[in-house]
Amino acid sequence: KQEVTQIPAALSVPEGENLVLNCSFTDSAIYNLQWFRQDPGKGLTSLLLIQSSQREQTSGRLNASLDKSSGRSTLYIAASQPGDSATYLCAVYILTGGGNKLTFGTGTQLKVEL
Amino acid sequence: DTGVSQDPRHKITKRGQNVTFRCDPISEHNRLYWYRQTLGQGPEFLTYFQNEAQLEKSRLLSDRFSAERPKGSFSTLEIQRTEQGDSAMYLCASSLGARTEAFFGQGTRLTVV
Repeated sequence: KQEVTQIPAALSVPEGENLVLNCSFTDSAIYNLQWFRQDPGKGLTSLLLIQSSQREQTSGRLNASLDKSSGRSTLYIAASQPGDSATYLCAVYILTGGGNKLTFGTGTQLKVEL
Repeated sequence: DTGVSQDPRHKITKRGQNVTFRCDPISEHNRLYWYRQTLGQGPEFLTYFQNEAQLEKSRLLSDRFSAERPKGSFSTLEIQRTEQGDSAMYLCASSLGARTEAFFGQGTRLTVV
């Protein structure tokens, strides 16, 4: 059974700091990995999708990497801002019954302080 | 296109009542998923559709839960005889094909009192 772990569970940093969020998964037979942002009481906003053939993806101040062999992904946030405060979730796509489904980690709650 | 839309955003119901939620996916997306999220946890897979066919159901989906996608467009999730343990955020997502990015709606927050 695929398990996804995110470390740390919570993180507080001063504005402007660069930071790294970690995601690990137990079964390397994935084909995509996706990072999401979730604000309190809200749905999920897609940040980056990394396909299995890719090693990384970048969008603005965000960079996500994927190492399938070691079962790890990282989300790098450059020059953090208070508006980045949210919970960040990683999810892996696994094949199931001819389709696919996402297995999520429990998230990293980020707080960026002024 | 306004993305994935869910209705209602919030629902408070008494234990034992039935509730129904609706999800409108992004218009050209053929795959639709339902997930459930409790406080402090990541979303958990419930079920998914390809067009109108329901292809997989999680063991989390007891026989009190039923989902439909009658014309391959919007979907409904019904919970019968609600229990307090059903209180959660119910999230809907859609994608175009199996290997493409999933987009989520804002969720329906269910509180069973």
